[in-house]
Amino acid sequence: NAGVTQTPKFQVLKTGQSMTLQCAQDMNHNSMYWYRQDPGMGLRLIYYSASEGTTDKGEVPNGYNVSRLNKREFSLRLESAAPSQTSVYFCASKLRTGANTEAFFGQGTRLTVV
Amino acid sequence: QQQVKQSPQSLIVQKGGIPIINCAYENTAFDYFPWYQQFPGKGPALLIAIRPDVSEKKEGRFTISFNKSAKQFSLHIMDSQPGDSATYFCAASSGSEKLVFGKGTKLTVNP
Repeated sequence: NAGVTQTPKFQVLKTGQSMTLQCAQDMNHNSMYWYRQDPGMGLRLIYYSASEGTTDKGEVPNGYNVSRLNKREFSLRLESAAPSQTSVYFCASKLRTGANTEAFFGQGTRLTVV
Repeated sequence: QQQVKQSPQSLIVQKGGIPIINCAYENTAFDYFPWYQQFPGKGPALLIAIRPDVSEKKEGRFTISFNKSAKQFSLHIMDSQPGDSATYFCAASSGSEKLVFGKGTKLTVNP
């Protein structure tokens, strides 16, 4: 049981380049989330998908787009990367939004924008 | 607006000590309060969680204390070990609210 799988694990981008971070879960969860983690800032929600076919903005959505491809997969796209987007990105899944159940996290993608 | 305030930002204790991490919230709609543990290079993982209908929950050496009237909750680690060195995040959610996290506490347990 792989849980939540993120790819890639590391990435270096030049300012202005685009890329997509991939996330897949095999737990049949309805809800999926993208967080970014910066030193001293905790985990901040970028976008989430409460169920297949829906997406909503979180706390820090500017500069990002998401796609809930199917129930398993939730991708995060940076259209024009900026140095301020240098961060560690975590994907998470949960049985459903609002349920008092565990959120499972992937291993993270460490992104550097130069 | 930070929905969950966590302190301290960092904490150093000796082996066997009892580190305490505190969190406070404003939104009275929150009804689920988990703590996540994160080791370097890994994603956060659920450590222990509590609902507001109880004032305390213990799992092994980890205890959550919950004060509903003060809107505060805390994590205590009994007989702390060097292997407990990690970053700890408190969080909160409800049926209508997404999971929101505190800023984290980096705990170091010295041998």
